[in-house]
Amino acid sequence: AQSVTQLGSHVSVSEGALVLLRCNYSSSVPPYLFWYVQYPNQGLQLLLKYTSAATLVKGINGFEAEFKKSETSFHLTKPSAHMSDAAEYFCAVTPGNTPLVFGKGTRLSVIA
Amino acid sequence: NAGVTQTPKFRILKIGQSMTLQCTQDMNHNYMYWYRQDPGMGLKLIYYSVGAGITDKGEVPNGYNVSRSTTEDFPLRLELAAPSQTSVYFCASSTPGLVENIQYFGAGTRLSVL
Repeated sequence: AQSVTQLGSHVSVSEGALVLLRCNYSSSVPPYLFWYVQYPNQGLQLLLKYTSAATLVKGINGFEAEFKKSETSFHLTKPSAHMSDAAEYFCAVTPGNTPLVFGKGTRLSVIA
Repeated sequence: NAGVTQTPKFRILKIGQSMTLQCTQDMNHNYMYWYRQDPGMGLKLIYYSVGAGITDKGEVPNGYNVSRSTTEDFPLRLELAAPSQTSVYFCASSTPGLVENIQYFGAGTRLSVL
């Protein structure tokens, strides 16, 4: 069975500071990992995905994530936060053609 | 491109009433899903479908029913609404041919049961 743990339900950073959102996964088979972003009153949008090609994955809006098998982690980072990054972020895992299993989400606040 | 379309966007139900949440996609995706989102709980899978005529339960199916008569449509039915079904409901679709299984989401239906 697959599961995802997102550490920190709420993260607050200053504008221009590093963004780090943590995600650890559990999977009995090589996983496919995703980060989705949800802006207020909207659906989820794909931010980036890991599919066993490169361990460092670049996504939209300057975000990237690194797959670390030894740590079972897939943390999301962005070097410099922007006010428009304020949203909720979800990490998700699947072994393949099965429904995604989502973490509980991390709300990112950006302070001017 | 419309993508995944959900209707209605908002709805208030009285306890015991029934309703159908509509979901349609125009991407010819075989897989479709229904999730509910509650504050601090992430998304929980209610039902999913791998193709027309095939549906399966997810993590939280009680109180809901689905059908999949066409590739495009995947309605979610609430027969006897209860306050515990107050939530935001999201429909999603994906292509099974792509191993990555990227899911595309609708904008959601916000439901209150009073």
